[in-house]
Amino acid sequence: DAGITQSPRHKVTETGTPVTLRCHQTENHRYMYWYRQDPGHGLRLIHYSYGVKDTDKGEVSDGYSVSRSKTEDFLLTLESATSSQTSVYFCAISQNRDTGNTIYFGEGSWLTVV
Amino acid sequence: KQEVTQIPAALSVPEGENLVLNCSFTDSAIYNLQWFRQDPGKGLTSLLLIQSSQREQTSGRLNASLDKSSGRSTLYIAASQPGDSATYLCAVTPPGGSYIPTFGRGTSLIVHP
Repeated sequence: DAGITQSPRHKVTETGTPVTLRCHQTENHRYMYWYRQDPGHGLRLIHYSYGVKDTDKGEVSDGYSVSRSKTEDFLLTLESATSSQTSVYFCAISQNRDTGNTIYFGEGSWLTVV
Repeated sequence: KQEVTQIPAALSVPEGENLVLNCSFTDSAIYNLQWFRQDPGKGLTSLLLIQSSQREQTSGRLNASLDKSSGRSTLYIAASQPGDSATYLCAVTPPGGSYIPTFGRGTSLIVHP
C-alpha cells in the first residue's frame, strides 16, 4: 500500500466554520489530488497539485482552497463550511514513471457539516 | 472532454461465475487506464494499470484488457468469490500535462454464496 495518511478521518463541524483536511504522503510523488465522492455524482476533482506551491482547480473548487508547501503535504481548506460540503473526501497521489501514472488513494475523510 | 462509462451500474452473480466488467471511454488518446476496487467505507485500491501501448494485464484471477481504437476496457474476474463483492471503477489518464484522470461511476458487484 502507498503511504498516504489523511487526517482527520472523521469530523463533524458547524456551518460557517473553517475546516482543514490534511493529506500526508511518504512516497515522494509529484502529483496530489483532492476528490469528493457523493452518491449519484461519483468522484469529483476539487483541486490538484503538480508540485510544491503549484496547484490548480478541479471541477468543483468553489468554496475550497488548497496549499502545498512541502512535497509530502497537501491541505484542503473549506473556508466556511456549508451543508452541501458534507461528503467523504479522498486524497490521491501519483507519479509518472515508465510503467505508467499509477494513482493511489488514501482511506478518506468523512466530513459532516451540521 | 473525456467521458468514461461503466455498464452495468450493478451486477449480482452466484459464486464461481466468471464475469466481465466493462469500461468505455470517448477519447482514445490516453496515457493509461487503471482499474480500482472500492469496499464500502474505504478508499480506492489499485488493481491493474494498462499503459496505452499494452493490450492486457493480469494479476491473479483478474485480467484487464484494453482496446484503444474502440474505446473499451474489460476487467475479467475468474471464479468469482463473495470476497470479490465491491465497487469496481476504471479511470483513464490523458497523455502529457497534468495527468488528471477521468473516472467512471463504477460497477457495484455482489457475489452471493
